[in-house]
Amino acid sequence: NAGVTQTPKFRVLKTGQSMTLLCAQDMNHEYMYWYRQDPGMGLRLIHYSVGEGTTAKGEVPDGYNVSRLKKQNFLLGLESAAPSQTSVYFCASSYSQVYNEQFFGPGTRLTVL
Amino acid sequence: TQLLEQSPQFLSIQEGENLTVYCNSSSVFSSLQWYRQEPGEGPVLLVTVVTGGEVKKLKRLTFQFGDARKDSSLHITAAQPGDTGLYLCAGEGSNYKLTFGKGTLLTVNP
Repeated sequence: NAGVTQTPKFRVLKTGQSMTLLCAQDMNHEYMYWYRQDPGMGLRLIHYSVGEGTTAKGEVPDGYNVSRLKKQNFLLGLESAAPSQTSVYFCASSYSQVYNEQFFGPGTRLTVL
Repeated sequence: TQLLEQSPQFLSIQEGENLTVYCNSSSVFSSLQWYRQEPGEGPVLLVTVVTGGEVKKLKRLTFQFGDARKDSSLHITAAQPGDTGLYLCAGEGSNYKLTFGKGTLLTVNP
């Protein structure tokens, strides 16, 4: 099992460009999450999904959109990237909302110039 | 908003020393998790504690959940260089989402 995978691993964008980050999991988990990790700020929840076809806003959703068309995939989109979105992005999945033990991907390091 | 404060923020020790990392909040959590994150990788779950006063051991690591389920500690005995990493605590609130602390960056020098 690959667990949680993320593509790409690194990306550099110019302000105003768009991109999509892909997260895939092969554990048949219902729940998936997108976080950003910034120095001194910890992990902050951007959006999450409690099942195929559903999404919800987390703590810092502005400037991001998500889609969960298939159970195993969770996409994070930036429509018009801003330097404030420079960060490391992590995807996670969990099999249950009880205890909510999460499995994380390796991360995507995004730089917006 | 539920907040988790971790201390210390940074810790640098010699191999063989003992250490304790703290995770504190004014909020009650249904459960609390500890993760370890190595450079360039995602966090990896170490343990989940659920019951107030619960103590769990994972080899040289001892985790404790406070009686009131508002705080937790991680104690490492005889630290080794392989223990180096960012230790994150995460509390599960009533809405099933996790609130993460900012982490303790541990460096164990050989």
